[in-house]
Amino acid sequence: GESVGLHLPTLSVQEGDNSIINCAYSNSASDYFIWYKQESGKGPQFIIDIRSNMDKRQGQRVTVLLNKTVKHLSLQIAATQPGDSAVYFCAERISNFGNEKLTFGTGTRLTIIP
Amino acid sequence: DADVTQTPRNRITKTGKRIMLECSQTKGHDRMYWYRQDPGLGLRLIYYSFDVKDINKGEISDGYSVSRQAQAKFSLSLESAIPNQTALYFCATSDNRADGYTFGSGTRLTVV
Repeated sequence: GESVGLHLPTLSVQEGDNSIINCAYSNSASDYFIWYKQESGKGPQFIIDIRSNMDKRQGQRVTVLLNKTVKHLSLQIAATQPGDSAVYFCAERISNFGNEKLTFGTGTRLTIIP
Repeated sequence: DADVTQTPRNRITKTGKRIMLECSQTKGHDRMYWYRQDPGLGLRLIYYSFDVKDINKGEISDGYSVSRQAQAKFSLSLESAIPNQTALYFCATSDNRADGYTFGSGTRLTVV
């Protein structure tokens, strides 16, 4: 069946270090993969997305890598800051004749250690 | 003001009661969604709507109903609340772009 999941539920990183959050997916029909950040008491916020025909995309301090061979997605956050502490979700978007839906992974809690 | 507003933010209700969660948006998006978030399970889609006359079931629609009264409003109802519906509920809108989803701040519902 379809699933989007994460390898690690928690991750602690020293402030200033880089962090990598991983995600596995199983649906090859997804056209976009998206990373969201959820801070306590808030809804998920868009961080970065990557189209299924790409293997890397960079944003401000974030990079998403997509390996379709092993159906793996990762989010790299460079020079982590205390404000990066949050739960991070990957999601895959599947479009079917104009109907698109997001399927979310279970989330990884990232804690930045001062 | 928030682009996507959910009310109430928190609610405690008794088993068997009917409860409605409201969502309104100022994004002008046609597409609206209701998700449920449980610890360790991520967000799961309950219902979604692509315009005022369109209602679609998500993966966990049993026990829920929705109403799309206008483009800007999408409400979620629990006809007879049960304890395993205790969760965090999120409303979202989209313009069909992958980066175009906007989530509300959530409604924490507790059924006792």
